[in-house]
Amino acid sequence: EAGVTQFPSHSVIEKGQTVTLRCDPISGHDNLYWYRRVMGKEIKFLLHFVKESKQDESGMPNNRFLAERTGGTYSTLKVQPAELEDSGVYFCASSRLFAGKGEKLFFGSGTQLSVL
Amino acid sequence: DAKTTQPNSMESNEEEPVHLPCNHSTISGTDYIHWYRQLPSQGPEYVIHGLTSNVNNRMASLAIAEDRKSSTLILHRATLRDAAVYYCILRGEYGNKLVFGAGTILRVKS
Repeated sequence: EAGVTQFPSHSVIEKGQTVTLRCDPISGHDNLYWYRRVMGKEIKFLLHFVKESKQDESGMPNNRFLAERTGGTYSTLKVQPAELEDSGVYFCASSRLFAGKGEKLFFGSGTQLSVL
Repeated sequence: DAKTTQPNSMESNEEEPVHLPCNHSTISGTDYIHWYRQLPSQGPEYVIHGLTSNVNNRMASLAIAEDRKSSTLILHRATLRDAAVYYCILRGEYGNKLVFGAGTILRVKS
């Protein structure tokens, strides 16, 4: 079974540019989450999709971040325009629907974003 | 947001058992206790979870106190590949999402 795949693994952009991160969840997983860790901080929740719908986007830092999951399969996270403080590692995770509080999340290896 | 308390770091010798403690004194009756770990340059990885009873799987064991205010993740024989940050997470109040704290950095010496 293929795991959660994230692309690219690394991205280096200049301040003000746009970057799009992609996440392919495990096949059949309807729950999809985005997290990020900025330098020296803890891993923070960004948002949660159930299929193509945003279930919880309380962790999105501001309107420069746009997450989509058209068709309920892969998801993209766009940062436009990128700022220096957006640098960090962005993780995607997925799990089966109706997972409940006991279900486990499967994480990708992350995208290391560096904004210069 | 995190409602768990873990030591910042621990050290273990290879091939010896490791007991990683976690305090969660404000746990509610329906909160599950989850453990994840993050190896260097990788995403978090599920280790184990439990509600009330002790749990065992191929990776580790989870011992949960009778009052559920604390738990201990047990690695029976630490290897160098177990060196990672271990996170104890309560899952319940925040819905399906996981809320990560600072975790415990486990160092394994050969």
